[in-house]
Amino acid sequence: NAGVTQTPKFRVLKTGQSMTLLCAQDMNHEYMYWYRQDPGMGLRLIHYSVGEGTTAKGEVPDGYNVSRLKKQNFLLGLESAAPSQTSVYFCASSPGGDEQFFGPGTRLTVL
Amino acid sequence: RKEVEQDPGPFNVPEGATVAFNCTYSNSASQSFFWYRQDCRKEPKLLMSVYSSGNEDGRFTAQLNRASQYISLLIRDSKLSDSATYLCVVNVVSNNDMRFGAGTRLTVKP
Repeated sequence: NAGVTQTPKFRVLKTGQSMTLLCAQDMNHEYMYWYRQDPGMGLRLIHYSVGEGTTAKGEVPDGYNVSRLKKQNFLLGLESAAPSQTSVYFCASSPGGDEQFFGPGTRLTVL
Repeated sequence: RKEVEQDPGPFNVPEGATVAFNCTYSNSASQSFFWYRQDCRKEPKLLMSVYSSGNEDGRFTAQLNRASQYISLLIRDSKLSDSATYLCVVNVVSNNDMRFGAGTRLTVKP
């Protein structure tokens, strides 16, 4: 099993560009999450999903959108990137909202 | 006030030392508690869940004090491989609100 995978691993964007981060899990987990991690801030929840076709806002959802069209995939979109969105993005999945399994992260820089 | 607060450290200890990390949380509705470990530039991984009665896993002991809204992690006989950042995590399961502390960095030296 690959567990949780994220693509891409690194990306540099210019202000105003858009992009989509892909998260995939092969553990048949119902719950999936997107976090961002900034120095000194810990991980902050952006959006999450409790099942295929459902999404909900987390602590810092502004500037991001998500979709969960298939159970195994959770996409995070940035419609118009801003320098404040420079961060490390982690995806996670969970069988029931408790222990979370994280992907390796995506390092995004917005110039 | 942050919802989950940890001493950022860094804690620099010699091999074999005992080290304790503390964490406080503000939401009294929190229902599950965890310690995660994060190595430099890697993803967080679950170290252990924290139960009301306290729990131990080898050299690691976790304690929960609901009345004081306080969680602790004790590492005995520190190894070089314990060097990492330790994240305190609390979850309000009813609304799936998982909150992470900023982490405490530990360096174990020979």
